[in-house]
Order: sequence, then C-alpha cells, then structure tokens
Amino acid sequence: GAVVSQHPSWVICKSGTSVKIECRSLDFQATTMFWYRQFPKQSLMLMATSNEGSKATYEQGVEKDKFLINHASLTLSTLTVTSAHPEDSSFYICSARDSSAGGIRNEQFFGPGTRLTVL
Amino acid sequence: AQSVTQLDSQVPVFEEAPVELRCNYSSSVSVYLFWYVQYPNQGLQLLLKYLSGSTLVKGINGFEAEFNKSQTSFHLRKPSVHISDTAEYFCAVSEENTGFQKLVFGTGTRLLVSP
Repeated sequence: GAVVSQHPSWVICKSGTSVKIECRSLDFQATTMFWYRQFPKQSLMLMATSNEGSKATYEQGVEKDKFLINHASLTLSTLTVTSAHPEDSSFYICSARDSSAGGIRNEQFFGPGTRLTVL
Repeated sequence: AQSVTQLDSQVPVFEEAPVELRCNYSSSVSVYLFWYVQYPNQGLQLLLKYLSGSTLVKGINGFEAEFNKSQTSFHLRKPSVHISDTAEYFCAVSEENTGFQKLVFGTGTRLLVSP
C-alpha cells in the first residue's frame, strides 16, 4: 500500500529558531501534498496544499512567510516553521495523493505526524 | 462552503457491543465522504469512503457506513467492537467544486471500548 513518512517524528526547539519537517511518499509519486495542523484533542486543519514545482496554496489565515513549503520533487515536500514560538507547538501531519496513472486520485495517504514543541 | 459535524465528542462502549458514530455534513454540491481512524500520536488511516453507487459502504476492521443524502449523514457503525478499536475517529468530506481535492474534517469522536 501507499506509505507516507515524516521526519522527524518529534522535535523540541527553542523559541526563535526554525524547524524543517519532511514529508515523503515512499512508494508512489505525489504531485500534490497537503499539510495539516492538529491541536490537542482537536481536528485537523488544512494549512496549505503543496504542489510539485510550483508555489504552495495557503489556506486563509495561514502565514505563508512563517510556514514555508517547498515541494521540489515528486516524493518530497518540506514544511519549515520559521522563527518558531510556543504557540506554534502542535502536531503537524502531511498527506499525499498518488499522481500516477493508476493512482486513486480521490484518496489522501497520511504520514504519521510530527510533534513540534517550542520552548 | 462545506462543514462536517460530529455530534459526539466521546462514545464509551463495552467490548462486543455495537456502536454508531454520527456524522452530518452540509454542502450544496456533490461530495465524497470519508471516515478515518487515528491512534495516539499517529497519522490517519482510511477506514472507508463513499464516492458514488451503493450507499452502504464497507471498510476495514469490520466497520461500515451508510450515506443518507436526504439527511446529509454518513454514520459509522460496527456490530461488535474490540478493545483495539479504542481510538479517535474523524469524518471528512471533499466537495466537487474543489475537484474533490481538499478534505474538511469533523472535530472527531473518541471511541472508548472497555472490557
């Protein structure tokens, strides 16, 4: 089955530093990946849609200069939280759509998530 | 814009009992509907999905859901739950006017199965 990995699985950083989270589709190509944020005991909120080879599309209220997204290849998207602050602490989850000819276009495959704690 | 409502934040149930987790949505266009399960500190796993056709959808781990267009509902059911079904369950919808690209999630229902 389609597998999506995230690295790191958890990270603790000091306020003001930047943190990069990687999302990889391991056995399929993904021209589109999605980044979600999940607060404790709450639902997933879509932050942005990451498109391979072009700029990401951000949801309303999400600061694009704070949450930098790069989708440089068909299997890798990165989310960089710049100048992180304690309020950025959250669980970040990515998902990917299989863009191959036989892929199921309407299904998103989710990564295991990255827990970010900003001190 | 679509929205998804999961009325029950938590559902306690005894092992081997049946369970229903409720999901209602609002949308003015065609939708796809999904149920995902999330175990602690993990990502989401697809349980089942409704795209078209038969309104009764069967998924993994013995779960099933029924799409009711008139009631705009997509309730999840399992006839006999196990301890291992304890997890958070999310209902999600994607709309035709987004090319069925974006998922909007409900607030989730925590299923607590006790012996």
